[in-house]
Amino acid sequence: LAKTTQPISMDSYEGQEVNITCSHNNIATNDYITWYQQFPSQGPRFIIQGYKTKVTNEVASLFIPADRKSSTLSLPRVSLSDTAVYYCLVGGFNFNKFYFGSGTKLNVKP
Amino acid sequence: DADVTQTPRNRITKTGKRIMLECSQTKGHDRMYWYRQDPGLGLRLIYYSFDVKDINKGEISDGYSVSRQAQAKFSLSLESAIPNQTALYFCATSETGDLSNQPQHFGDGTRLSIL
Repeated sequence: LAKTTQPISMDSYEGQEVNITCSHNNIATNDYITWYQQFPSQGPRFIIQGYKTKVTNEVASLFIPADRKSSTLSLPRVSLSDTAVYYCLVGGFNFNKFYFGSGTKLNVKP
Repeated sequence: DADVTQTPRNRITKTGKRIMLECSQTKGHDRMYWYRQDPGLGLRLIYYSFDVKDINKGEISDGYSVSRQAQAKFSLSLESAIPNQTALYFCATSETGDLSNQPQHFGDGTRLSIL
């Protein structure tokens, strides 16, 4: 079971870079790491996904060390609209135990 | 994601009633999922379906049943609702492939309250 552990909450200010780290010590060889963002009263929205090293898209970067036991979501220059809950998800073939975790509530202040 | 539509958005009902939550999608995805979300517990998988003739139990399937009527439709039923099934329910879809590789697309949820 690829359980994940994230900080419950984080505070930041507009314009800062925010890094949210997720621990997943039991990650399996074929597991990918996926991050989602969720606003109140909405479903989670896919942000980024990776397997190893670094992945970057238009909204975020994902850093994964060689041992893959953790990953860090990096949000550059956050704004108030980035205030949301961020979930780290490690998936695999064992769907019955698919684990989303409780997420990190990011609060961006002006 | 407007491509995944859940109905109703809100529902209040009484203990013992049968409830059906519906999900439809226009993304053309084969795979569909039902999750529930409780405060502080994240999302937990109830049931999932890889195609019309495939139904699989998730982590917390007890007390729930599902029906995959067509590729685009996946409904969740509570045969006899109980108060601890009060939660936010999400439907999601994904393309065929290893779940690890396929991002999921979520609806905006159904808030269900059981009195």
